[in-house]
Amino acid sequence: EVQLLESGGGLVQPGGSLRVSCEASGFTFSSYAMNWVRQAPGKGLEWVSVISGNGGTTYYADSVRGRFTISRDNPKNTLYLQMNSLIAEDTAVYYCAKDHRLGSYGYFDYWGQGTLVTVSS
Amino acid sequence: QSALTQPASVSGSPGQSITISCTGTSSDVGGYNYVSWYQQYPGKAPKFMIYDVSNRPSGVSNRFSGSKSGNTASLTISGLQAEDEADYYCSSYRSSSTWVFGGGTKLTVL
Repeated sequence: EVQLLESGGGLVQPGGSLRVSCEASGFTFSSYAMNWVRQAPGKGLEWVSVISGNGGTTYYADSVRGRFTISRDNPKNTLYLQMNSLIAEDTAVYYCAKDHRLGSYGYFDYWGQGTLVTVSS
Repeated sequence: QSALTQPASVSGSPGQSITISCTGTSSDVGGYNYVSWYQQYPGKAPKFMIYDVSNRPSGVSNRFSGSKSGNTASLTISGLQAEDEADYYCSSYRSSSTWVFGGGTKLTVL
């Protein structure tokens, strides 16, 4: 059974940094691209970033490029999102999501339960 | 990055069919057959319902179907059931290696 478990969310001041993690199990982690998708309170979904299975390719939404960094540790089956220069608009539940097909991106077939990041003074 | 356009809400009675539209541009929905749909209950993570415009992952009911015409994709739910009441989101590849979601549609089963 595929399981994704996010952690690391919390309250951070504007301009601060935070790293969220996602521990995966139930599939061959290194074979699949992984994504971060966020959802602001009461709002819709927003794709944030994707990383290839081997970690060599990354893409970002314009809203976070240059401030966020996605990475993965395949031996530890863990995905990360390092968030710097946080602003209030980054307040959201952050979900990690597995890509559906080997070697491709953009279809999110399994999701974690999410971790809440709140940016506020 | 502007979101794809979905109606804020749709409604239907049990047994009826409803369609949710998802309008983009030639840079996303109209330019690629990489459209997917997600169902989300309040306080829960989204569920993967449709991919490649019209394909259903295993385990998804065949009451759910997808299509596309030009810059607009659509999700149709037939034989509406009370359990279908949820929020629905479309998603598409957008040029420059990014992905975009729609604003979401709240489905109410009357």
